[in-house]
Amino acid sequence: DAGVTQSPTHLIKTRGQHVTLRCSPISGHKSVSWYQQVLGQGPQFIFQYYEKEERGRGNFPDRFSARQFPNYSSELNVNALLLGDSALYLCASLQFAGGTEAFFGQGTRLTVV
Amino acid sequence: GENVEQHPSTLSVQEGDSAVIKCTYSDSASNYFPWYKQELGKGPQLIIDIRSNVGEKKDQRIAVTLNKTAKHFSLHITETQPEDSAVYFCAARQASYDKVIFGPGTSLSVIP
Repeated sequence: DAGVTQSPTHLIKTRGQHVTLRCSPISGHKSVSWYQQVLGQGPQFIFQYYEKEERGRGNFPDRFSARQFPNYSSELNVNALLLGDSALYLCASLQFAGGTEAFFGQGTRLTVV
Repeated sequence: GENVEQHPSTLSVQEGDSAVIKCTYSDSASNYFPWYKQELGKGPQLIIDIRSNVGEKKDQRIAVTLNKTAKHFSLHITETQPEDSAVYFCAARQASYDKVIFGPGTSLSVIP
């Protein structure tokens, strides 16, 4: 079985642009969470989606948004990019919401210049 | 607010020795504690976890202990090998809410 798939693996954007990151969870998993990992720090929770509904949101500005599709894949969108948005964006796949292990993808490395 | 502290930030051990990483958490509602290993250029990999109704769990060379009263939990790696070199993250989560709070990480180096 394929693990968590994220695309693209690397991305360079200019300040003010927007970006869309994509995630496909493990087959059979219905929940996806997004995390931001700044270099040298632990991942920070951004969003969780379960059955296409937002189930949780971290302390991130409204420039960050996400959605989940009927096939349980997910997109993370970031508008009006800032230099500080440069980070590794991680997607975690959970079988269902509540009390299960989270399996992470390899991440998308976003660089804002 | 929710917070997880982790010590030490860096740890260097000789191959074959043991390594211990300690964490504390602030949210008393946390009842699930996973540990992740992250190698360079990769996402975090779940290596072991423990739930609040258990005090200790072991999987081959890796063991975790949990003191819920003190809000402390620890990772123990025995007989370390060079391939154990990575950044290790402790984390805490409420079982009914999937937001995982990560510690700042421990960079472990195992010297051959």
